Amino acid sequence: NAGVTQTPKFRVLKTGQSMTLLCAQDMNHEYMYWYRQDPGMGLRLIHYSVGEGTTAKGEVPDGYNVSRLKKQNFLLGLESAAPSQTSVYFCASSYTVTNTEAFFGQGTRLTVV
Amino acid sequence: AQSVAQPEDQVNVAEGNPLTVKCTYSVSGNPYLFWYVQYPNRGLQFLLKYITGDNLVKGSYGFEAEFNKSQTSFHLKKPSALVSDSALYFCAVRRGSSNTGKLIFGQGTTLQVKP
Repeated sequence: NAGVTQTPKFRVLKTGQSMTLLCAQDMNHEYMYWYRQDPGMGLRLIHYSVGEGTTAKGEVPDGYNVSRLKKQNFLLGLESAAPSQTSVYFCASSYTVTNTEAFFGQGTRLTVV
Repeated sequence: AQSVAQPEDQVNVAEGNPLTVKCTYSVSGNPYLFWYVQYPNRGLQFLLKYITGDNLVKGSYGFEAEFNKSQTSFHLKKPSALVSDSALYFCAVRRGSSNTGKLIFGQGTTLQVKP
């Protein structure tokens, strides 16, 4: 049981380049989330999805887009990367029952130069 | 709006001593509260949660946390710290009535346990 898997684990981008981060979960979870982690700021929610085909904005959505075409996958896109998007990105998933914990991937360390 | 505060950036304790990592929260309605731990270059691992019932909840690796509704706090505790407990700890809150499951995190507290 792999849980939540993020691809890639590391990436360096030049300013203006685009990329897509992939999150895959094998727990049949309805809810999926993308967070970014920055020093001293904890985890901030970028976008989330409450089911296949749905997406919604979180606290810091600007500069990112997402898609949830399949229940098990949640993609995070950066159309034109900026140095301010240098961060560690975490994907998480959970059941719809709100008293359950969320499960996290191992993270993607992105550097934009 | 939901929010979580972890007032200490870092907590230093000696091995064998008790430890406390503080967390206060703000949420409308009933809170669901969680603690996660992050080891270097790893994802977040779930430690424990408070949903309802007994205010003292026990979790993984000997950790426990006490829910205090009047003080809106959910402090993480352990009776005897280990060097291997050194890590980054996050407190998180979710509205009990949430239909999105969103978790709001504090800024994290680094726990340093010295031999």
